[in-house]
Amino acid sequence: DIVMTQSPDSLAVSLGERATINCKSSQSVLNTSNNKNDLVWYQQKPGQPPKVLIYWASARESGVPDRFSGSGSGTDFTLTISSLQAEDVATYYCQQYLRTPITFGQGTRLEIK
Amino acid sequence: EVQLVESGGGLVEPGGSLRLSCAASGFTVTNAYMTWVRQAPGKGLEWVGRIKSKPERGTIDYAAPVRGRFSISRDDSKNTLYLQMNSLKTEDTAVYYCTTYSWVVDSTRGNWFDPWGQGTLVTVSS
Repeated sequence: DIVMTQSPDSLAVSLGERATINCKSSQSVLNTSNNKNDLVWYQQKPGQPPKVLIYWASARESGVPDRFSGSGSGTDFTLTISSLQAEDVATYYCQQYLRTPITFGQGTRLEIK
Repeated sequence: EVQLVESGGGLVEPGGSLRLSCAASGFTVTNAYMTWVRQAPGKGLEWVGRIKSKPERGTIDYAAPVRGRFSISRDDSKNTLYLQMNSLKTEDTAVYYCTTYSWVVDSTRGNWFDPWGQGTLVTVSS
């Protein structure tokens, strides 16, 4: 199984400041058939299902504010929120979809400092 | 509009059974990879299992913790996915989400999960 490990588990950032969440996979999630990383970032707010923010590690989903960006390749990935807004308080998950079992990171809880 | 609506959750005693349903609209489950994901209270997301599309023989894969106890199926005439849960344990307590792969509505998209249903809560307790 591909193990996904996020850091930190929780994060407090001031409004307008940058938030950075890391995700590391136990093996590469690069899909050699299309040379894309099969890595997605979700945002989840209490009582709601996850919402797609970033797919293929760095492609922003339609409608997602451009303060959200994803980077990385192979086994190391980062989700960055360039200027934290109050509505960004949530838990963030990375997930690999290269192979089953599909696996998620443990989540990073983002709060306002 | 693509939509998934789960139902069937509730309180069940350890060792009991429950069947969850997921009604799909806006696409046909026959041609989709349908997936169940669960989330224990205050915990992270856990993949439960998946059924492939009919053209791919409807192959089913399960996560190790549920293999042999849970069964995924679909009813094409009702455009509905099911999760039959037997021999339930307290650790199966969770919100169960139904989801599918994003390419179901746009073939240029990939194998991430989108959309998701709102989830149905299963509580296993005596």
